[in-house]
Amino acid sequence: GAGVSQTPSNKVTEKGKYVELRCDPISGHTALYWYRQSLGQGPEFLIYFQGTGAADDSGLPNDRFFAVRPEGSVSTLKIQRTERGDSAVYLCASSPRSGARETQYFGPGTRLLVL
Amino acid sequence: AQTVTQSQPEMSVQEAETVTLSCTYDTSENNYYLFWYKQPPSRQMILVIRQEAYKQQNATENRFSVNFQKAAKSFSLKISDSQLGDTAMYFCALLDDKIIFGKGTRLHILP
Repeated sequence: GAGVSQTPSNKVTEKGKYVELRCDPISGHTALYWYRQSLGQGPEFLIYFQGTGAADDSGLPNDRFFAVRPEGSVSTLKIQRTERGDSAVYLCASSPRSGARETQYFGPGTRLLVL
Repeated sequence: AQTVTQSQPEMSVQEAETVTLSCTYDTSENNYYLFWYKQPPSRQMILVIRQEAYKQQNATENRFSVNFQKAAKSFSLKISDSQLGDTAMYFCALLDDKIIFGKGTRLHILP
């Protein structure tokens, strides 16, 4: 069956531009998570959705970052006025439900490079 | 605050040998979950093994097993009969209300 997919796989943009990163979770998974992985680091939590609502957005670094999941399936992570420090791999994961018992299944990530 | 520490940035072992990756963590919770994830160059994080803190028995998945020491807050991963395909970054992770990852150990399996 299809796993979590993310598009684009790589994105190069210029400082100050706006970018959108897309995540398609596994069909039927109600929980969706976004992480950021900087070079040489483990993934860091950004936000997670249960259905259409953001259940926890405490990891978003500032108000330039925003994510939506309008129909409870596909999610888009939006970054405004990109900065060089935003360069990282952005990982998406999904699980059948939220909660500590649920294993998260990860996508291949989008590598964002801000010049 | 929850933390996860992996003290070995990089390791190399010969194919077919056994290797142990270390992980220590800190949490004030009593019920939590621990994971080892593998991240090959393709970037996709793959779950290797999980352990529920309330279970005393160490989890095992084929060649992968853990040594879970709850009192010491230690969660090491043992890979037996290592294979070239095991070459990857390995991340230890702690999950109570949200998942916290360590910085990873880069493992090289040498032919």
